[in-house]
Amino acid sequence: GAGVSQSPSNKVTEKGKDVELRCDPISGHTALYWYRQSLGQGLEFLIYFQGNSAPDKSGLPSDRFSAERTGGSVSTLTIQRTQQEDSAVYLCASSPRVVVAKNIQYFGAGTRLSVL
Amino acid sequence: DQQVKQNSPSLSVQEGRISILNCDYTNSMFDYFLWYKKYPAEGPTFLISISSIKDKNEDGRFTVFLNKSAKHLSLHIVPSQPGDSAVYFCAASARTSGSRLTFGEGTQLTVNP
Repeated sequence: GAGVSQSPSNKVTEKGKDVELRCDPISGHTALYWYRQSLGQGLEFLIYFQGNSAPDKSGLPSDRFSAERTGGSVSTLTIQRTQQEDSAVYLCASSPRVVVAKNIQYFGAGTRLSVL
Repeated sequence: DQQVKQNSPSLSVQEGRISILNCDYTNSMFDYFLWYKKYPAEGPTFLISISSIKDKNEDGRFTVFLNKSAKHLSLHIVPSQPGDSAVYFCAASARTSGSRLTFGEGTQLTVNP
């Protein structure tokens, strides 16, 4: 597809379960970002990947959160032992390059996670 | 530490009039600013941006103004149209931080016919 694709679009899980969220970035984009938006809040940075460099994990809220990016393309965000406060919309974005003067990020539609 | 703030959660304007959305920031390392528009159940869509070396950027009905001394930027939409009704997010990035985006809380714009 032409845009950033995320799956699933909605995920309902029970507290304590693990979840995996997937992101397919725009083809050829080397940078990939994860954000989350909690109810009534702005978007909060979680993690980003740039090419083969080590990812910047500084936004991950706890060690229950992890992400990987295989082959420089698809990324998976994993949340272990989910808690109710993890309920949010998780958004993925990609951009052609990082550390340039103009870094426009293109977003997917997000995964709405509900932890019961 | 809210580095990007949009102090107006909502704004309502009449069709054809000007919409002005405001954003303030605190981090002087920010060197690129963006506005995104978001409809319900969709991801944010890039609208317009401005580099810190400029003070104005215009694209059709949309103009972004940057006042670096005041650490303030604004988005002007003129004339406003009902289809512009959406949540508008201000975002900022710094090359020193890997160009991650720091977002404001968003402003819900409603354009009334």
